Amino acid sequence: QSVLTQPPSVSGAPGQRVTISCTGSGSNFGATSDVHWYQQLPGTAPKLLISFNTVRPSGVPDRFSGSKSGTSASLAITGLQAEDEADYYCQSYDSSLNGFFVFGTGTKVTVL
Amino acid sequence: EVQLVQSGAEVKKPGESLRISCKGSEYTFTSSWFGWVRQMPGKGLEWMGIIYPDDSDTEYSPSFEGQVTISADKATSTAYLQWSSLKASDSAMYYCVRRAGTYRQYYFDYWGQGTLVTVSS
Repeated sequence: QSVLTQPPSVSGAPGQRVTISCTGSGSNFGATSDVHWYQQLPGTAPKLLISFNTVRPSGVPDRFSGSKSGTSASLAITGLQAEDEADYYCQSYDSSLNGFFVFGTGTKVTVL
Repeated sequence: EVQLVQSGAEVKKPGESLRISCKGSEYTFTSSWFGWVRQMPGKGLEWMGIIYPDDSDTEYSPSFEGQVTISADKATSTAYLQWSSLKASDSAMYYCVRRAGTYRQYYFDYWGQGTLVTVSS
C-alpha cells in the first residue's frame, strides 16, 4: 500500500517562506501520480488548496504554490500570515487495480 | 456552488447502530461520486469509501470494508454512512466529500462540515 510522508510540523515568522514536503513510497505511487493539497484550519473541515500538483482553485491566495518532481511533492507558502496556521495534508490516488485514496500524514504549520 | 450538509453530532453506546447523512446539491448529486473521510481525535485523514448515487456503485477502502456501509438515495440527494454495531474506536469526526479529477487522478473538491460521532458507555 502507498504511503505519503510529511514532516509533522514546520514553523516560520510572518512574511517568511515555508515548505512542506510529501514523499511517496510503495510500488503504486510513481512519477505519474498527481498530488493534491488540503488546508484544515483549527476546528474546521479540510478545504482543497491545490489540485493536480500546481493548480489553485478560485479564491486560494497565490502565496500558496505546489510542485512535484518524481515521487516527491511540495507545498510552499510565501509571505506567511497568521491565518495560515493550520494543518496541511497531501493526497494522491493509488492507481493499482483496487485504486484508492491516500492521504499524507499531515503537517502542522505554526506562525511564530 | 456545491454544498454538502451533514447531519448533527451523535452520542451513542457501544453496540448501537447509527446512520449519518450528507445532503448534496440536487443538480450535481447523480453525476458525481461522494465519499466519506474519517478523522480520529488529534489524528490525520483516512478515506473510507465512495459511492456513485445514480447506480449505487460503491468502493471501500480495505481498512473499512465490512466495518461500515455506504449508501445513497438519489431521490433526496443524500448519502449515508452506517454502522450496525458501534465500537468506542469509531469515535471520530466524519466528513462527506465529493470526488473530482480525471481518470485515476482523483481528489476531493468539496467537503461537508463534519459529523462528530462519540461512542461511550
